[in-house]
Amino acid sequence: NAGVMQNPRHLVRRRGQEARLRCSPMKGHSHVYWYRQLPEEGLKFMVYLQKENIIDESGMPKERFSAEFPKEGPSILRIQQVVRGDSAAYFCASSPGRNSGSPLHFGNGTRLTVT
Amino acid sequence: DQQVKQNSPSLSVQEGRISILNCDYTNSMFDYFLWYKKYPAEGPTFLISISSIKDKNEDGRFTVFLNKSAKHLSLHIVPSQPGDSAVYFCAASGSSGSARQLTFGSGTQLTVLP
Repeated sequence: NAGVMQNPRHLVRRRGQEARLRCSPMKGHSHVYWYRQLPEEGLKFMVYLQKENIIDESGMPKERFSAEFPKEGPSILRIQQVVRGDSAAYFCASSPGRNSGSPLHFGNGTRLTVT
Repeated sequence: DQQVKQNSPSLSVQEGRISILNCDYTNSMFDYFLWYKKYPAEGPTFLISISSIKDKNEDGRFTVFLNKSAKHLSLHIVPSQPGDSAVYFCAASGSSGSARQLTFGSGTQLTVLP
C-alpha cells in the first residue's frame, strides 16, 4: 500500500512538551499539505510544502508551530510547548503537483491529545 | 467566517433510497469542488469532484450537482447502501490561493438504515 503514511497514529503529550508528527507522501508525490481537525469541525488548512520549500503557511499559527519537508525523509509538523487547545486530529495529504485536476490523498491522521 | 457550509450535521436514509447531501459556499473565487467521505479513525477519502465549468458530474452511484448562481452544490447517492454510512465533507478551492488549499465544510454524518 503506497498511500500517505502518518505516524504516530496517536500521540499523548503533557502541556509544555513538544509534539512531532510525521508524514510520508504517496510515491511520486512531491507536494505535502497539513490540515487540522478540531472536534466537531471540518478540516482546516495549515501549511503547504514542496521538497525543501514552504509554499503557503497562511493557516499555521504564528507561534509554536513549524513544518518542514526535507530533501530526504518525511515531512514533519512540529508543535512546541503544546497546550490543551492543540488537541486535535492532524491530517497530511499529498499530490503529484499543483494541477487542480488531481485531488488530495489524505493519510489516516495523527490524533494528538494534550493532558 | 465559514466560506463552505454544510447546514445539516446529520442525515438518515433507508437503504435503497436516495441520499442528498447539501453544501453552500460564499466565496465566488472557488472554482473546484470536491466531496470526501470519512470513516471514524481514518483520513478523508476522495469521492468525486466537479469543476465550475460543469454543472454535473457522475461516477457510478454518486452524482455531484453544481449551481453556481446559487453557490450551492449537492451530492446524490443512489441507491444508498449501509456501507455509505460515514461523514461526508464538502470542500472547495480557488485559483487565487494555493492550488490545493482546500476549504472544508463541517461535515454531514450520513446513516443508511438497513
